[in-house]
Amino acid sequence: DGGITQSPKYLFRKEGQNVTLSCEQNLNHDAMYWYRQDPGQGLRLIYYSQIVNDFQKGDIAEGYSVSREKKESFPLTVTSAQKNPTAFYLCASRFADSPLHFGNGTRLTVT
Amino acid sequence: GENVEQHPSTLSVQEGDSAVIKCTYSDSASNYFPWYKQELGKGPQLIIDIRSNVGEKKDQRIAVTLNKTAKHFSLHITETQPEDSAVYFCAASKGGSYIPTFGRGTSLIVHP
Repeated sequence: DGGITQSPKYLFRKEGQNVTLSCEQNLNHDAMYWYRQDPGQGLRLIYYSQIVNDFQKGDIAEGYSVSREKKESFPLTVTSAQKNPTAFYLCASRFADSPLHFGNGTRLTVT
Repeated sequence: GENVEQHPSTLSVQEGDSAVIKCTYSDSASNYFPWYKQELGKGPQLIIDIRSNVGEKKDQRIAVTLNKTAKHFSLHITETQPEDSAVYFCAASKGGSYIPTFGRGTSLIVHP
């Protein structure tokens, strides 16, 4: 089955540590996105990539970094500079102007 | 940029009742309006969408209406069932490679 795989589903880290969230898709989509979801806040765009080796900041990029070395993969690193990293993180992809297709998310807890 | 307002934030109905979720948008150039359903612990899934050249679209128990003049669009769910309980998001986009702007979501609770 084609889809987006986010791993792990739950992730726990100590404050001050960087952590990388995985996002892999086998849909052959060119564009990939990272969103952060907090209760009552909706979906806020962190970073996106329209093509391999290129990515742009979204609305809340501070404290995050990404890479896009392969079409299938778009990992997100939450750095120690992110002040409130505990959240539900969603990865999405799409082909051309089709609707976004989402993964099932990673819940990150930083204590 | 685009701003999407979504109401209500929580909606509680009895099974069999209808549910309506409303969204407004600010950018008159927006022409594509998808709706997503997010079940607990999962990612949002597209349930219906509408483009600006259409005023209404139906798919079984769900329908979406669009009023371009007033810049608002609504999701209607008839004969609600407990499995309709979820968070629903509206979004607006100018189409093409533009990234949609999402509303803050509506938590729909359907009581058996």
